[in-house]
Amino acid sequence: QSALTQPPSASGSPGQSVTISCTGTSSDVGAYNYVSWYQQHPGKAPKLMIYEVSKRPSGVPDRFSGSKSGNTASLTVSGLQAEDEADYYCNSYEGSNNWVFGGGTKLTVL
Amino acid sequence: QLQLQESGPGLVKPSETLSLTCTVSGGSINSGYYWGWIRQPPGKGLEWIGTTSYGGNTFYNPSLKSRVTISVDTSKNQFSLKLTSVTAADTAVYYCVRQEYSGSYFYDYWGQGTLVTVSS
Repeated sequence: QSALTQPPSASGSPGQSVTISCTGTSSDVGAYNYVSWYQQHPGKAPKLMIYEVSKRPSGVPDRFSGSKSGNTASLTVSGLQAEDEADYYCNSYEGSNNWVFGGGTKLTVL
Repeated sequence: QLQLQESGPGLVKPSETLSLTCTVSGGSINSGYYWGWIRQPPGKGLEWIGTTSYGGNTFYNPSLKSRVTISVDTSKNQFSLKLTSVTAADTAVYYCVRQEYSGSYFYDYWGQGTLVTVSS
């Protein structure tokens, strides 16, 4: 079980869009549409933002969207706002009742 | 509103057993969802530890499987984590979570987390 690969950092100015990638393999991200994304502010518990690659839970702004191509999933934040500054983690099912997280990406709003 | 709350010692000695309990309120643990533990070492990323059903069907991270036990006490609406033979590498914030397991997989409710430090 290897962690999914995310860029350590990403940034954008208010109002811009930023995309965070999450690269796995044909055994996890590429094999299943069970990719979820979590937002974590400092000192807080993570919060579910996206599940099943592109679905948003109730209450999550539609500025957050997800997609997948091959072994790479992506989270896009459009119309960046100051409160979007946080760490973001992807998670994927990898079969055999195992799940794996990405290493996390720190999103900075400039 | 469903709430999860972790409890247990904040300091554990090396080679001893880490024990944490998660109390579920605002809903029943017998609700068809699964329940799990996730940890985060200071300044690092998230790591899935394991998952259980209310009936005791358990799955563990292969890298921790030999040291982990997750159990459920439906009478108390609680589930627990035991991690044996701990080392400094097990120092982390431990979160209990509710996991969707019916046709999808994600963690939709999280406890606030509890810091466990392994030190003599």
